[in-house]
Amino acid sequence: KAGVTQTPRYLIKTRGQQVTLSCSPISGHRSVSWYQQTPGQGLQFLFEYFSETQRNKGNFPGRFSGRQFSNSRSEMNVSTLELGDSALYLCASTLAGGTDTQYFGPGTRLTVL
Amino acid sequence: AQSVTQLGSHVSVSEGALVLLRCNYSSSVPPYLFWYVQYPNQGLQLLLKYTTGATLVKGINGFEAEFKKSETSFHLTKPSAHMSDAAEYFCAVILSGGYNKLIFGAGTRLAVHP
Repeated sequence: KAGVTQTPRYLIKTRGQQVTLSCSPISGHRSVSWYQQTPGQGLQFLFEYFSETQRNKGNFPGRFSGRQFSNSRSEMNVSTLELGDSALYLCASTLAGGTDTQYFGPGTRLTVL
Repeated sequence: AQSVTQLGSHVSVSEGALVLLRCNYSSSVPPYLFWYVQYPNQGLQLLLKYTTGATLVKGINGFEAEFKKSETSFHLTKPSAHMSDAAEYFCAVILSGGYNKLIFGAGTRLAVHP
């Protein structure tokens, strides 16, 4: 079974631009969660989608948004990029509920210049 | 509110020695508890999890953890460290009603020396 894939793996943007990251979950998984990892703040939850609906959201500004498609693939978008948005963005997929194992992708490394 | 505390951002052990990584949580209702490992330039891999039932949980690569409700702890142990265990380890919880929202500790970087 293929794992969680994230594209692109590396991205360089400049301040003010916007970016879209993609996540393809494991086949059959209906939930996709997104996390931001930085040296200063650690791993922080962004949001979770289940069956195309946002089920949970972290404490991030509205510049961070996401969506999920009918095939469970998910995208997250960051508008008006700031230097502090430089991070590793990880997505995780799971079958459905909280006790199910979340499988993480390798992440997208975003650098904002 | 700090939900997960990992004591020690860096731990160093000799190969063959006991590995003990500490994790405490703050929640009045016992959450679901997880340990993840992250190798350089990779995503997170689940080592083990506690949801209900037996409080001693065995995971992959010889790791295990014990849920102690009275101490609100979920420490990770391995009897004998191997060089390949060098990585960063994260304790995480899902609180009641939190769906799939993992709340992570700050992480502990484990170094294993010969």
